This record gives sequence, C-alpha cells and structure tokens, in this order.
Amino acid sequence: KAGVTQTPRYLIKTRGQQVTLSCSPISGHRSVSWYQQTPGQGLQFLFEYFSETQRNKGNFPGRFSGRQFSNSRSEMNVSTLELGDSALYLCASSIEPTDTEAFFGQGTRLTVV
Amino acid sequence: EDKVVQSPLSLVVHEGDTVTLNCSYEVTNFRSLLWYKQEKKAPTFLFMLTSSGIEKKSGRLSSILDKKELSSILNITATQTGDSAIYLCAVLNTGNQFYFGTGTSLTVIP
Repeated sequence: KAGVTQTPRYLIKTRGQQVTLSCSPISGHRSVSWYQQTPGQGLQFLFEYFSETQRNKGNFPGRFSGRQFSNSRSEMNVSTLELGDSALYLCASSIEPTDTEAFFGQGTRLTVV
Repeated sequence: EDKVVQSPLSLVVHEGDTVTLNCSYEVTNFRSLLWYKQEKKAPTFLFMLTSSGIEKKSGRLSSILDKKELSSILNITATQTGDSAIYLCAVLNTGNQFYFGTGTSLTVIP
C-alpha cells in the first residue's frame, strides 16, 4: 500500500511568487491535513480537508489556501511568497477526521529567496 | 493561547541509557495527546493517549498521560542509536485541531 505522497520534494521560489504543493493520501483515506515545520516554530497546523471541504484552519494568513479534490488528493497554495515561508510543508492523511492516527508524507522543502 | 511545551529541547545519551521526555500542554477542549518520532522528514506515530494513568507500551517505549497535571512523559529504556530522532508531542482538541510542541531532539551515541 503506497504511503502519503507529496510533490515536489524540493522547491526554490523567489519572493512575491506563488507556489502550489500537492499531497496524495493513502488509498482509502479521506482526510488530509497540512502542516508547516520551521526550526523556530516547530510543527504548526495549517488546515484540514475532508470530503472536499475545509474543516479546520490554523492561524495562518489568507495567503495560505488549499483545496481537496474528489479523489481526496489535496493541494496547498501560497501566494505572494515571503522569506519567512521557507519551511518544510508536511501533509498527513487519515481515514476519517476523527481517526487520530495520521500518516505523514515526506514533505516538500520550500526555500524562498 | 493554546500551547504545547516539550522538555528538554535536546538530549545526548549513551546507548543503554534510559531517557524520559516531557510534554506539558494548555489546550482547551482536550481530546487526546499523541507522540511522534521524526527522523529526517516524516513523523511516525508512536502513541495516542486519552485517559489519565494508563500506560501505553511498545517494546522499549512507554508513555503515560496525567490529565490533572496536563502533562505526559515518554520513556525509552535501553536506548539504541536508532532511537536518535526528534520526538514530537501533539495535542488534539475536540475541534480536530492539532497543537504540536517544538520537539525534543534525542541523540544516542554508541
């Protein structure tokens, strides 16, 4: 059974650009959550999607957005990139939102220069 | 403000030592506390704790939750070099929102 797949693995962008990250959950998992991990702030919750609907949102500006497709794959978009957006972006999938055992992908390392 | 605090921030031990990692939290509408091990990139799930006083055990790792003290500990006995990782503590509230600590970096030297 394939794990959670995130693409791309590495990305370099310049300030002001926008970026889209992709996450394919484990087959049969319908809930996808996104996290940002930085050395200074640790792992922070961005948002959670289930059945194409955003269920929860963390404390991030509106430049961070996401969506989920009917096949449960999810994308995260960051517009008007800032240097501080450089981080490892992790996505996790679970069968249901209430299923607290979530499986993480390997992450996308975003560097903003 | 909801928060999760882990201590120590980092730890260096010798193989065979026993370590105790701490996690304390201030999260409204607590639902459960989870421990993850993160090597390189993807965190892997270790334990989920919802009730006080019940120890969860998996091999050399064990964890217990104290809801009165709003804390949890993760014990690793007879440490091995493969235990070197960042150990993350997270609290899930009833709104399905995760709050993570910044982690404890454990280094086990031969």
